[in-house]
Amino acid sequence: TQLLEQSPQFLSIQEGENLTVYCNSSSVFSSLQWYRQEPGEGPVLLVTVVTGGEVKKLKRLTFQFGDARKDSSLHITAAQPGDTGLYLCAGRAETSGSRLTFGEGTQLTVNP
Amino acid sequence: DTAVSQTPKYLVTQMGNDKSIKCEQNLGHDTMYWYKQDSKKFLKIMFSYNNKELIINETVPNRFSPKSPDKAHLNLHINSLELGDSAVYFCASSQVQGGGHGYTFGSGTRLTVV
Repeated sequence: TQLLEQSPQFLSIQEGENLTVYCNSSSVFSSLQWYRQEPGEGPVLLVTVVTGGEVKKLKRLTFQFGDARKDSSLHITAAQPGDTGLYLCAGRAETSGSRLTFGEGTQLTVNP
Repeated sequence: DTAVSQTPKYLVTQMGNDKSIKCEQNLGHDTMYWYKQDSKKFLKIMFSYNNKELIINETVPNRFSPKSPDKAHLNLHINSLELGDSAVYFCASSQVQGGGHGYTFGSGTRLTVV
C-alpha cells in the first residue's frame, strides 16, 4: 500500500484553466513537500509546509496542508504550458523517522 | 556551479556487467541519498548517508553497494546487472537528515540493461 496517494494520476487541460492536485494519507506528517519534475531532470522543490492548515502561495500556485496534517493540495490558477510536468508530493510521516516518502505523482499537461 | 551532479547521464550496458554511478554535491549538505525511479515515475529510496555514515538501507539487493568517501560524494556501484535494474537513478542531498527543508536532486542517470 502506498503511504501517499496522489490524484489524479494524469491531468490534461487547456491553457487558462484552473486545476487542483491532491495528496492524501492515513498517516500524520511532520512536514510535506511538493516537487515538480520535467523530462530528463530531477525533481525540483516548490514548497515545504509544516503546520496544519498552513497555506503557501508561489505566484499562481497555492499549496495547502490539511488541518490534521494528513493531506495536502496544490491549486494552479490560469495554467500555462510552462506548468507542464510531473508534480510529486513527499512527506515525512511521524511514524517513519527521518524517511521521506514520495507519492506516485500527477502528470500535468497544459495544452496551448 | 551545479549543486548536485551525477555522472553519467546515460548508461547502456549488458546483463552481468558491473557499473558505477558517481554523485557529488557542493551545497555543504550533511545527508545524501540514492533514489530509483521506475517506468511509472515512482521514486523509491534506496540508501541514505549522513556525514559518510549509512542511515537508511532499504530492501535493495546486495548487488547494489553505495560508497561515501566524504560527505560531498555518494557513489553507487552495481554488480551483475539485471534487466530489472533498468530505471532512472537519482542522487539527492539535504541540509538535515530526513530532508525537512527539502531535497536537492541531481538530473538523474538513465540506466538501460540489455
